[in-house]
Amino acid sequence: ETGVTQSPTHLIKTRGQQVTLRCSSQSGHNTVSWYQQALGQGPQFIFQYYREEENGRGNFPPRFSGLQFPNYSSELNVNALELDDSALYLCASSSGTRSYEQYFGPGTRLTVT
Amino acid sequence: AQSVTQPDIHITVSEGASLELRCNYSYGATPYLFWYVQSPGQGLQLLLKYFSGDTLVQGIKGFEAEFKRSQSSFNLRKPSVHWSDAAEYFCAVGDSGGGADGLTFGKGTHLIIQP
Repeated sequence: ETGVTQSPTHLIKTRGQQVTLRCSSQSGHNTVSWYQQALGQGPQFIFQYYREEENGRGNFPPRFSGLQFPNYSSELNVNALELDDSALYLCASSSGTRSYEQYFGPGTRLTVT
Repeated sequence: AQSVTQPDIHITVSEGASLELRCNYSYGATPYLFWYVQSPGQGLQLLLKYFSGDTLVQGIKGFEAEFKRSQSSFNLRKPSVHWSDAAEYFCAVGDSGGGADGLTFGKGTHLIIQP
């Protein structure tokens, strides 16, 4: 059984740029959730994708967007990067849309300068 | 809105000693509760979860947690810690009513193990 994988591991971007982060879900899981973890904080829910559609969203602006593909993998896109977007971005996969039994990937560390 | 409070930012415990990490939640109905552990540079690993039933739940790595509705608490315990338990621990609450609101996490407790 393959776990959740994320790419890239680290990324440095400049304020105002756009970034795309990628996630491959665990085998058999059809739902992907994205979280932002700022330094010294707990993860914060960004949104969830199920059947290639956004299924729920936390308190994040529209410049945070995503995609889910037929193989259940997912992308997180952030436009017009701000310094406060610097964080660890975590992807979690689960089977179904309930928020339990989420399995997390190792994360992508994004630094915005 | 649901919320989670982990009152202790840092806890230092001697190797072999017992451990209790505190978690209080705010949620209108019966919550789904979780404890996750995060080692440096790693993602989150699920230690244990509570959905319903027996209020004392067993998890991996010798951890257990007790759900106390009257105190809105879900404290994590381990009878004897090992140096490898040093990590960041997060308590989280999920929406038992269905939907896709994601998990709400506390700010975490950093566990330090003294030799």
